[in-house]
Order: sequence, then structure tokens, then C-alpha cells
Amino acid sequence: SQTIHQWPATLVQPVGSPLSLECTVEGTSNPNLYWYRQAAGRGLQLLFYSVGIGQISSEVPQNLSASRPQDRQFILSSKKLLLSDSGFYLCAWSVLGGSGMEKLFFGSGTQLSVL
Amino acid sequence: GNSVTQMEGPVTLSEEAFLTINCTYTATGYPSLFWYVQYPGEGLQLLLKATKADDKGSNKGFEATYRKETTSFHLEKGSVQVSDSAVYFCALSPWGYGGSQGNLIFGKGTKLSVKP
Repeated sequence: SQTIHQWPATLVQPVGSPLSLECTVEGTSNPNLYWYRQAAGRGLQLLFYSVGIGQISSEVPQNLSASRPQDRQFILSSKKLLLSDSGFYLCAWSVLGGSGMEKLFFGSGTQLSVL
Repeated sequence: GNSVTQMEGPVTLSEEAFLTINCTYTATGYPSLFWYVQYPGEGLQLLLKATKADDKGSNKGFEATYRKETTSFHLEKGSVQVSDSAVYFCALSPWGYGGSQGNLIFGKGTKLSVKP
């Protein structure tokens, strides 16, 4: 069966420090991968998605970047964190279902607090 | 642009009460609509979906009907249980989006607490 691992569950970082959040998927090949963020008082927002190794699309301009060094690994990074980077980060992967509708599966999330 | 608005929480109900969580959307074209649920300590998971107007999605006793005339997709359950305590997210997938169909637009989420 397919599983998605995302860590850490919580993270407290000072302003200006670097960030690296990792997400790995098991049990599937060539998945689409996604990073979402929920900032305080806002809905989940898509940050990045990837349809293959080294292929990254960004949905919103920001202080973050993403990389996909391996088929089932998706990394969210920042060189210098800002206060506004605080939020709840979710990794997700998807597969095309029988009806042709893509189905998303989410990790358990990382709560990032930048102080 | 595309957006989703859902009722603010938290919502606290007694067991066996009737649940409604309102969700309205703004979208161009013909979006697909979803409800996702996040139980404590777990990732989001798809609860139900509807892909065209008047479709009714249902799962685990929850239902939602895609109403194009009112641009709504309200979540309902006739009798909630303590195990339904979770955060519920309404979401849409824009029609004809050029990129991945996984680009969902979410509401802010509604936390539901069910007391015994």
C-alpha cells in the first residue's frame, strides 16, 4: 500500500535561519507531488507541485523553494525564514483514479513557527 | 478568480445532533467540488466529491450536493458521532486548469467537536 511520510511534525525556527522539510512517498511510482500551506486564518494554499524528477512549478511568489531529487522525495526549503513563513505545511501526492479524477493523499503536516 | 468560503468554526455539537457545514464557491467554468477531513494526528483524506451540477457526494453518512444555482456544496450529516470530531475542508478543482488537476483550492477549514 502507498504511504506518505512528512517530518518533522512541529518545528520552531528563528527568523533568518534556513529551512528544510522533507516528504517521501512509498508504494507508488512517478506520483505528482505537492506542497500546501495554511497560514493563520487562511485556507490551504498550493505552493509547489511536481510532475516528475527535477520538474517544479510554483504557484505563488514567495521566500520558499522546492526540489525533487528523487522520484518519491519532495523537499521544501528556504535560505532565510521570514515571520510570514509560519504556518501549517502539508505534503501530498496524487494518482489518477478510475474515473479519470485525480485523487490527493496528504501527509500529517508540519507546524512551523518562525520566531 | 477561484475561491472557496466555508463557515467559521469551531462547531460544537452533541452526539446524534444534525450537522451542516456551509461551503460556497466562486469559479470560472465547471469545477469539481470536494470535502476533505483531517482527524487528529492524521493527514487530510478525501471524504466525498461531486464533479457536476446536481451530483450528490456521500460517504460515512455525510452528504453534499453540488448546487450550481447557489454555488454551494454544504456538508450534512443526520446524526454525528464523537468519532466525527475533526477539521473539515471544502475544496474545488478548477475546470480546464492547464497544470495538474491536483491543484485544489481550499477553504479555511471548520473544526467540529462532538461531545458524548
